[in-house]
Amino acid sequence: QSVLTQPPSASGTPGQRVTISCSGSSSNIGSNTVNWYQQLPGTAPKLLIYTNNQRPSGVPDRFSGSKSGTSASLAISGLQSEDEADYYCAAWDDSLNGVVFGGGTKLTVL
Amino acid sequence: QVQLVQSGAEVKKPGASVKVSCKASGYTFTGYYLHWVRQAPGQGLEWMGRIYPNTGGTNYAQKFQGRVTVTRDTSISTAYMELSSLRSDDTAVYYCARTMTGGGAATLDPWGQGTLVTVSS
Repeated sequence: QSVLTQPPSASGTPGQRVTISCSGSSSNIGSNTVNWYQQLPGTAPKLLIYTNNQRPSGVPDRFSGSKSGTSASLAISGLQSEDEADYYCAAWDDSLNGVVFGGGTKLTVL
Repeated sequence: QVQLVQSGAEVKKPGASVKVSCKASGYTFTGYYLHWVRQAPGQGLEWMGRIYPNTGGTNYAQKFQGRVTVTRDTSISTAYMELSSLRSDDTAVYYCARTMTGGGAATLDPWGQGTLVTVSS
């Protein structure tokens, strides 16, 4: 079981908006910033959102992140078929003194 | 550009050790933490530990304490992850990743291409 909790799956149709939640505790999300990673099949994870809501260069503005208390969310608007991937949240944990990941959410574009 | 290139796939027997390398280029190797993350087949991401190449200081996940060793050779800008007493459930893709400029401690970018380690008798 992962320290951060994500739903195992999510789905939407092209053009829709979907959100993926990530729940943690005071020692991780509650006191540190949240990052989101996208992993396409057979590839290495790629940074999608950092410091709660910042997009690296090249990431479309369809992707957005937010954080409130000990929870965070990733939103994808204007869903496209190429968004079908696994999504992971991550944060530093002060108690464990390491990086903790969510279990991952498999996004299916119907 | 910043790049991390890992060593090739390995097949090991239970009880053996494996050492995976991660060669960095395009930036000052000693200035950024390097992390190791693994992913078992069909499973999620699992953080193993990190090293600060400037000092050699390390942090390890409790699960791997005593079984994992992360080292570096600054002369060739390369970090290593050695995992000992291998078991079948250590079969996974092992990634190295760098802490990103301007991000927090868990902001990892870029990532290496991954190294598949298969543990089988």
